Amino acid sequence: GQNIDQPTEMTATEGAIVQINCTYQTSGFNGLFWYQQHAGEAPTFLSYNVLDGLEEKGRFSSFLSRSKGYSYLLLKELQMKDSASYLCAVRADNAGNMLTFGGGTRLMVKP
Amino acid sequence: DAGVTQSPTHLIKTRGQQVTLRCSPISGHKSVSWYQQVLGQGPQFIFQYYEKEERGRGNFPDRFSARQFPNYSSELNVNALLLGDSALYLCASSLDRGSGNTIYFGEGSWLTVV
Repeated sequence: GQNIDQPTEMTATEGAIVQINCTYQTSGFNGLFWYQQHAGEAPTFLSYNVLDGLEEKGRFSSFLSRSKGYSYLLLKELQMKDSASYLCAVRADNAGNMLTFGGGTRLMVKP
Repeated sequence: DAGVTQSPTHLIKTRGQQVTLRCSPISGHKSVSWYQQVLGQGPQFIFQYYEKEERGRGNFPDRFSARQFPNYSSELNVNALLLGDSALYLCASSLDRGSGNTIYFGEGSWLTVV
């Protein structure tokens, strides 16, 4: 079976740093994706991890530990426009573009 | 370059009707997948197509069907619509089925069943 857990909601202050965690239990693993989704819009690709370690891309970083079934998305220098849902998704072995998503974490950035 | 394009963007149907949603992948992308996203939840996988063949199917009833055309565009059909089919339907494309490929989503088709 596939199970992906992430917090439902988080609140942070503009200019701060926030870490959104994701744990997964899947039958096979071939990469973990993070997407940002603003209300009423489609998911936008943020990051992709397939090997252990940290991937940095501007204000956003993503970390993966395959042995622990754990990932996090780190957002630095938060801006009001970062208020959105953040989706963690896992691709199983040889699954092409078949992803299993968590329920999403709704992040609210306050002034 | 155009991203993943979907049509229509919004539509309203009544129970029992049928709907067809369309998707054009990013130029050069051969793999297309469909997802259903109910309000407040993460997307749920429906179908994956690669080289015009179904390569994966999620836990959805037979009322849901899809196909991929020679130009790699795709259609999702849903028959005998139920109120619970109201959702955002997302199309995703990637270069092929390889593990190193990034997956991009279209803007989605908002379906309301009344």
